[in-house]
Amino acid sequence: AQSVSQHNHHVILSEAASLELGCNYSYGGTVNLFWYVQYPGQHLQLLLKYFSGDPLVKGIKGFEAEFIKSKFSFNLRKPSVQWSDTAEYFCAVNLDTGRRALTFGSGTRLQVQP
Amino acid sequence: DTGVSQDPRHKITKRGQNVTFRCDPISEHNRLYWYRQTLGQGPEFLTYFQNEAQLEKSRLLSDRFSAERPKGSFSTLEIQRTEQGDSAMYLCASSPGGLQGETQYFGPGTRLLVL
Repeated sequence: AQSVSQHNHHVILSEAASLELGCNYSYGGTVNLFWYVQYPGQHLQLLLKYFSGDPLVKGIKGFEAEFIKSKFSFNLRKPSVQWSDTAEYFCAVNLDTGRRALTFGSGTRLQVQP
Repeated sequence: DTGVSQDPRHKITKRGQNVTFRCDPISEHNRLYWYRQTLGQGPEFLTYFQNEAQLEKSRLLSDRFSAERPKGSFSTLEIQRTEQGDSAMYLCASSPGGLQGETQYFGPGTRLLVL
């Protein structure tokens, strides 16, 4: 069965610092990849997604992610974080096999200090 | 607001009672999903409907759990004989259908506490 690993469980950064959150998955076939964000008190929202094409994907609020197939990774990046980026971030994978289920990582809690 | 809605938002029940949650997807989305999220974990897939047909079920969905989507619009998730281990956030999502890998849009969830 496929799995998704997010190794950073809790990250604390100062405003303007750069961010990189790791995501690795364990499946050798074609995948669709997502990053969702959950701001305090709000529901899950899509940040960005990768289906095919350019492996560098740009999302909302200045976030981007790079799909590296050889490393089974889809890391999330932002060059300069803001206090409002404080949230929990989830990586998710959907196998391109006709199944619809998303497999999520355990999440990374990001705390940005002003 | 035209997003996914869920009702109730919170539910406290005693062990052994039955509970039912409702999900209203985004209008005209023909796919609907249920997930469960426990503290410190990401959402775990439970089941998926395309219109009124239930097409996928996770092994997490024990025989105490049942989900329906009778008219292909709203869906209900029922848990019978609740156990303390059922305490979690139950999330509903919907997607428009069509392309593989399409985006799933999530609702606010129903938080269940079983005493």
